[in-house]
Amino acid sequence: NAGVMQNPRHLVRRRGQEARLRCSPVKGHSHVYWYRQLPEEGLKFMVYLQKENIIDESGMPKERFSAEFPKEGPSILRIQQVVRGDSAAYFCASSPGRGSSYEQYFGPGTRLTVT
Amino acid sequence: KQEVTQIPAALSVPEGENLVLNCSFTDSAIYNLQWFRQDPGKGLTSLLLIQSSQREQTSGRLNASLDKSSGRSTLYIAASQPGDSATYLCAVRANNDMRFGAGTRLTVKP
Repeated sequence: NAGVMQNPRHLVRRRGQEARLRCSPVKGHSHVYWYRQLPEEGLKFMVYLQKENIIDESGMPKERFSAEFPKEGPSILRIQQVVRGDSAAYFCASSPGRGSSYEQYFGPGTRLTVT
Repeated sequence: KQEVTQIPAALSVPEGENLVLNCSFTDSAIYNLQWFRQDPGKGLTSLLLIQSSQREQTSGRLNASLDKSSGRSTLYIAASQPGDSATYLCAVRANNDMRFGAGTRLTVKP
């Protein structure tokens, strides 16, 4: 059984470029969550998506960040015009259903470095 | 707004010691609480999940307790080993998201 897969594992971007982070959930899971971990801090919730729908984006920065989870393919977290403050580890989690009774399974993360 | 605090921020112990990591949360209306382990530069490994109706969970040398009314959880590690060295994260689930503490960085010296 493949767990949550994220790629790339490491991503280096120059200021002003775009970053695309991909997350493939556990097979059969239709719910995806994105979290960001800044250096020396805990994980912070960003967005919760179900196939083709954004359910909760209360943790997403208002500008430059967007997320999608299409009917086919992985979930994508897109960061436009990256700045140094975007350097962090971005984790994706998936669950088989909606609601807090379903455990979230975490991927290995993508470490973004903005130079 | 739910706030999760972990104390201490860092802990260093000699091999073989029993130890306790603490987690507190401000809003007792949670569905579950989960303890994770994170190694440097790595992802999260789930250790124990406690549902709000439960008081504790055990796995091997690990025991986690939950006192929802007081907003506290503890992770007890028995007979610590150098391989236990990692950052331990506590997270509570209330709605769509999980709220994480900043973690306790544990070092077990041989």
